[in-house]
Amino acid sequence: DTAVSQTPKYLVTQMGNDKSIKCEQNLGHDTMYWYKQDSKKFLKIMFSYNNKELIINETVPNRFSPKSPDKAHLNLHINSLELGDSAVYFCASSQWSGSTDTQYFGPGTRLTVL
Amino acid sequence: AQKITQTQPGMFVQEKEAVTLDCTYDTSDPSYGLFWYKQPSSGEMIFLIYQGSYDQQNATEGRYSLNFQKARKSANLVISASQLGDSAMYFCAMREASSNTGKLIFGQGTTLQVKP
Repeated sequence: DTAVSQTPKYLVTQMGNDKSIKCEQNLGHDTMYWYKQDSKKFLKIMFSYNNKELIINETVPNRFSPKSPDKAHLNLHINSLELGDSAVYFCASSQWSGSTDTQYFGPGTRLTVL
Repeated sequence: AQKITQTQPGMFVQEKEAVTLDCTYDTSDPSYGLFWYKQPSSGEMIFLIYQGSYDQQNATEGRYSLNFQKARKSANLVISASQLGDSAMYFCAMREASSNTGKLIFGQGTTLQVKP
């Protein structure tokens, strides 16, 4: 049973296109996150949602828009893709408890913008 | 300022030996959590071990243990009896209770190679 799943695993697209990445978790968690891992493997939070409400939006361009239709899903839509958006995007989830809850990550989506 | 520092970009260890991966952190929050994740070449992020700032004992999970030295602000990961499958990138991360956002702050990562 996959705990946190993402689709697609690979995404290759042209500059200027709009694309979406989907994430689903079956752990019953109430908080979901998007992280970006750049070419140097550095991981940084982008967004987090708690009970479908946005609680973090970290200096991410407006072209990135997360949407959480329910607690189990957090999708990431990217408009007008740029070369610099090429990265691996990870979805994660946790059951909120302050500083102790463990975040479980999806397999990642490797986005390549040509 | 770097909140999480992993000073070893790459490490080698002989199979069956123990290895320590260093992690130091910087926070003024009295309540925080420290996490280690493994990222094999296949790319997924695998949770390994957690240490809370108020935990009295060092965390252990199978062959993984966390050498938590609060006064020195270090949270080193110790892997005992290394296996070839331990070859991967390892990330230390911190979550501060005061941020109220739940975000994990990651270090730069350490690449571990286990030699047969």
